[in-house]
Amino acid sequence: ETGVTQTPRHLVMGMTNKKSLKCEQHLGHNAMYWYKQSAKKPLELMFVYSLEERVENNSVPSRFSPECPNSSHLFLHLHTLQPEDSALYLCASSPLTGTGGFDEQYFGPGTRLTVT
Amino acid sequence: TQLLEQSPQFLSIQEGENLTVYCNSSSVFSSLQWYRQEPGEGPVLLVTVVTGGEVKKLKRLTFQFGDARKDSSLHITAAQTGDTGLYLCAGVMDSNYQLIWGAGTKLIIKP
Repeated sequence: ETGVTQTPRHLVMGMTNKKSLKCEQHLGHNAMYWYKQSAKKPLELMFVYSLEERVENNSVPSRFSPECPNSSHLFLHLHTLQPEDSALYLCASSPLTGTGGFDEQYFGPGTRLTVT
Repeated sequence: TQLLEQSPQFLSIQEGENLTVYCNSSSVFSSLQWYRQEPGEGPVLLVTVVTGGEVKKLKRLTFQFGDARKDSSLHITAAQTGDTGLYLCAGVMDSNYQLIWGAGTKLIIKP
């Protein structure tokens, strides 16, 4: 059983809607991540939070807005999305490494997002 | 241009056969992780290899890290239908400790 949960599992939204994705981890980790997974492409890292501070933002469009209120919860707020944003959005957590780099990732099941 | 190339992209074989999938790069990694992702789920970590030349075994799965820490392979012996999934490799860059992902090998094991 995964220690990372995501809700909702499926989401269909129009381009003018506002919605939020939720992630919760029960592993005691201090880093949390949002990834976008599209078919036949490598996982795209969107945001990283370390000790509740954002440390990575890989040129993600502003229509995606992350929020990390504490080390166990992570949100991704969505507004005015485009059809090309349809994908599987994965949340992950990891313990912090001494090097400050990326340790082994523990993923949630993902939210399948369809933008119509 | 992908930093981590996985091959083949797709593989479909019969149960009981052996197979090898590859993860190659021109960059050096301090470590490399292998994950399996089943339909409708997130990736699950299988193993991490750290030392050049390292070989790790997980039941019927054998993982090898190249001597130069630029590539890795996953060999499955006597594949089973439960091995079906998307196999992803991810390398921690030696230079900046960032995690680089491959696009994955989609493996289907037919009964």
